Amino acid sequence: GESVGLHLPTLSVQEGDNSIINCAYSNSASDYFIWYKQESGKGPQFIIDIRSNMDKRQGQRVTVLLNKTVKHLSLQIAATQPGDSAVYFCAEPSGSNDYKLSFGAGTTVTVRA
Amino acid sequence: NAGVTQTPKFQVLKTGQSMTLQCAQDMNHEYMSWYRQDPGMGLRLIHYSVGAGITDQGEVPNGYNVSRSTTEDFPLRLLSAAPSQTSVYFCASSYSIDYEQYFGPGTRLTVT
Repeated sequence: GESVGLHLPTLSVQEGDNSIINCAYSNSASDYFIWYKQESGKGPQFIIDIRSNMDKRQGQRVTVLLNKTVKHLSLQIAATQPGDSAVYFCAEPSGSNDYKLSFGAGTTVTVRA
Repeated sequence: NAGVTQTPKFQVLKTGQSMTLQCAQDMNHEYMSWYRQDPGMGLRLIHYSVGAGITDQGEVPNGYNVSRSTTEDFPLRLLSAAPSQTSVYFCASSYSIDYEQYFGPGTRLTVT
């Protein structure tokens, strides 16, 4: 069945370095992917999304890359800051209903001062 | 705008008790949903609604009921609480199908 998963459950990054968070998906028909950030004790917060007709999309300090050949997407955070410490989730539509999102288990990013 | 609000923030129930988790949004969003989040797992969709009067099941609907009588409110009812329902519950809303979902702050539920 379809599944969305992240390669590593934890990531420790030095402040100022770039972070790369990876996500693998299995549903080749997915046409929309979303990254969420969840800080401790809070609900998930939308970061950036990308459609399957794109390979790359940039936001403020974040870039999402989509490789449909190997069904992989990544979230890159430039110049990681202490406020970037959080759990990051990738999500994709579950089946044919775009509103039913399937979330990965998440990667916990810890920024070292 | 208050965004998506949830009450209560914390709740402890005994097995077999019932309760309703409240969710409200003031953004006039048509789409609303309920997720549960368990340790080491991502969010799992319980129920969702695409508009007032319309609801549907998500990935893990058993033991939960929902209704959507107004655009603003989307309560989640636990009919007979079980320890397996111990979790953090998030409500979310969005303008349309492929628009970003806004999440509430969550309700931490413990069933003993």
